[in-house]
Amino acid sequence: AQSVTQPDIHITVSEGASLELRCNYSYGATPYLFWYVQSPGQGLQLLLKYFSGDTLVQGIKGFEAEFKRSQSSFNLRKPSVHWSDAAEYFCAVDGSNYQLIWGAGTKLIIKP
Amino acid sequence: KAGVTQTPRYLIKTRGQQVTLSCSPISGHRSVSWYQQTPGQGLQFLFEYFSETQRNKGNFPGRFSGRQFSNSRSEMNVSTLELGDSALYLCASSLGIDRVNYGYTFGSGTRLTVV
Repeated sequence: AQSVTQPDIHITVSEGASLELRCNYSYGATPYLFWYVQSPGQGLQLLLKYFSGDTLVQGIKGFEAEFKRSQSSFNLRKPSVHWSDAAEYFCAVDGSNYQLIWGAGTKLIIKP
Repeated sequence: KAGVTQTPRYLIKTRGQQVTLSCSPISGHRSVSWYQQTPGQGLQFLFEYFSETQRNKGNFPGRFSGRQFSNSRSEMNVSTLELGDSALYLCASSLGIDRVNYGYTFGSGTRLTVV
């Protein structure tokens, strides 16, 4: 069955430190993968997506993600976080039949 | 260009009532999807419409229904509301024609509270 796992429910990072959020997927074919961010009470904003080609994908707000087929992973990274990055981050795979399958989300907390 | 517009933003209903939520996609987008977000279940797919046709439906009871109009605007309806229907309902639009290079743009959601 198709699934997405985000093993970390919460992550706390100091402002200015680097960040890596983990995402593992289970999908039979070539996956189409996404990272979205959600601020409190808001909708979901697309950070980046992977369909094919270069396995290192650049997104908005200084985020990047690396697709590793051998590890079934699509981890999100940022070299230096800002207080405004505090939010919840969701990884998703485009499943069959026009739906996204979501991870449970990782809440990012920034320490001043 | 304008984003995805969901109305209303907030809604309080009583158990047993019904509710209709509206979503206006980005101009030119023909696909509208609906998702339910709750703290316990996370994000769950409700249904997807393309050119007025439902192409897929998630695992929700028949009380949840939707439709799409010729201008691509979509509505979802929940009848006989239960407390467990309290959630943030998110709508997403996409071109919907080609899976490659399309992405989903989400609205800000409708926060439904059932009391």
